[in-house]
Amino acid sequence: DAGVTQSPTHLIKTRGQQVTLRCSPKSGHDTVSWYQQALGQGPQFIFQYYEEEERQRGNFPDRFSGHQFPNYSSELNVNALLLGDSALYLCASSLYSGAPSRTEAFFGQGTRLTVV
Amino acid sequence: QKEVEQNSGPLSVPEGAIASLNCTYSDRGSQSFFWYRQYSGKSPELIMFIYSNGDKEDGRFTAQLNKASQYVSLLIRDSQPSDSATYLCAVNGGTGFQKLVFGTGTRLLVSP
Repeated sequence: DAGVTQSPTHLIKTRGQQVTLRCSPKSGHDTVSWYQQALGQGPQFIFQYYEEEERQRGNFPDRFSGHQFPNYSSELNVNALLLGDSALYLCASSLYSGAPSRTEAFFGQGTRLTVV
Repeated sequence: QKEVEQNSGPLSVPEGAIASLNCTYSDRGSQSFFWYRQYSGKSPELIMFIYSNGDKEDGRFTAQLNKASQYVSLLIRDSQPSDSATYLCAVNGGTGFQKLVFGTGTRLLVSP
């Protein structure tokens, strides 16, 4: 049973460029959330997708956008990259149950993005 | 005030001892609380979650929740060097859908 998979694992981009990160959720899961983790910090919620729609969004600018496909996989896009966007980007998948307090979210291995 | 607060550590314990990790949160409406373990350079791994006041045990791990005091803790019994990692406390801040709000984590060092 495949867990949450993310690609690529590492990426180096130049300021001003655009990047796309990909995530395949755990088998049986239908909800994907994206988090950004800066060095020495806890993960910060970017946004969440369910039924191909963005359901919740954290305090991130519109440069961060996403998409969910019919097979539940998801992409995170970041435009006009800044040096401060350098971080570990984590995808978490879960199964929507209508009871968020009982939902377990499992993380992928992450994509390490470096902006130079 | 940060939404979820943890002591950054490091917390150093000898092998075989009990490690106690603590977390406080500011939103009284929070309903569920999660502990993740993160090894250096790796992604967070879910250890356990709790949503009712009291204790919840899973193997060597016990989560404790006190909603009145807005306090959640994780006890690790018989600590092993392999338990050395950063432990992240997360609170579900979402309504309808889950949105995890994380603390900065506590680094645990277990010495042989």
